[in-house]
Amino acid sequence: DTGVSQNPRHKITKRGQNVTFRCDPISEHNRLYWYRQTLGQGPEFLTYFQNEAQLEKSRLLSDRFSAERPKGSFSTLEIQRTEQGDSAMYLCASGRAGSNYGYTFGSGTRLTVV
Amino acid sequence: AQTVTQSQPEMSVQEAETVTLSCTYDTSESDYYLFWYKQPPSRQMILVIRQEAYKQQNATENRFSVNFQKAAKSFSLKISDSQLGDAAMYFCAYRSPGNQFYFGTGTSLTVIP
Repeated sequence: DTGVSQNPRHKITKRGQNVTFRCDPISEHNRLYWYRQTLGQGPEFLTYFQNEAQLEKSRLLSDRFSAERPKGSFSTLEIQRTEQGDSAMYLCASGRAGSNYGYTFGSGTRLTVV
Repeated sequence: AQTVTQSQPEMSVQEAETVTLSCTYDTSESDYYLFWYKQPPSRQMILVIRQEAYKQQNATENRFSVNFQKAAKSFSLKISDSQLGDAAMYFCAYRSPGNQFYFGTGTSLTVIP
């Protein structure tokens, strides 16, 4: 069990560029969540998957954002035409459906849009 | 909609002393879970303690304990014998029956040597 892995740790991009982040959950976890955290705030829910199915998307997830989990293992979060307001820490968490426990978080990807 | 409120943006405690962090939440559900997460400067969220809403007994994990008041929708975290390593941002979180997490805005805890 190597925990939840997120790559890259940091990403600096110019406004208007596309970026993609990757999350590798704990292998036996079937649920995977994406959160966004801005400075001084708690994480805000973006979307989650159970296996490969995307079950819910937040209104925060505009049409510039897309997430996939093609084989029910790792997930990617893509932001197209980045804006300065997209600058934040993007956190991934995984867990088991029906578990009574909190989920395990990754270390996050910090995005800076300049 | 569920909301989680942490009214203390910053708290400080003397090493070896006890500190209590406050959290209130709003929900119409009767069955849910509550959590406290710790986020050190390294930024990885770490689960500190959890509480099932259907259990009246307050959860305890070593030096960490909660005071869960379901009717008042209050869920405070008590840290006893505070240590320097306890310094971090603490987030209260509510997990709905649909397995969505809602987080408060956090309390930054400073431990004074």
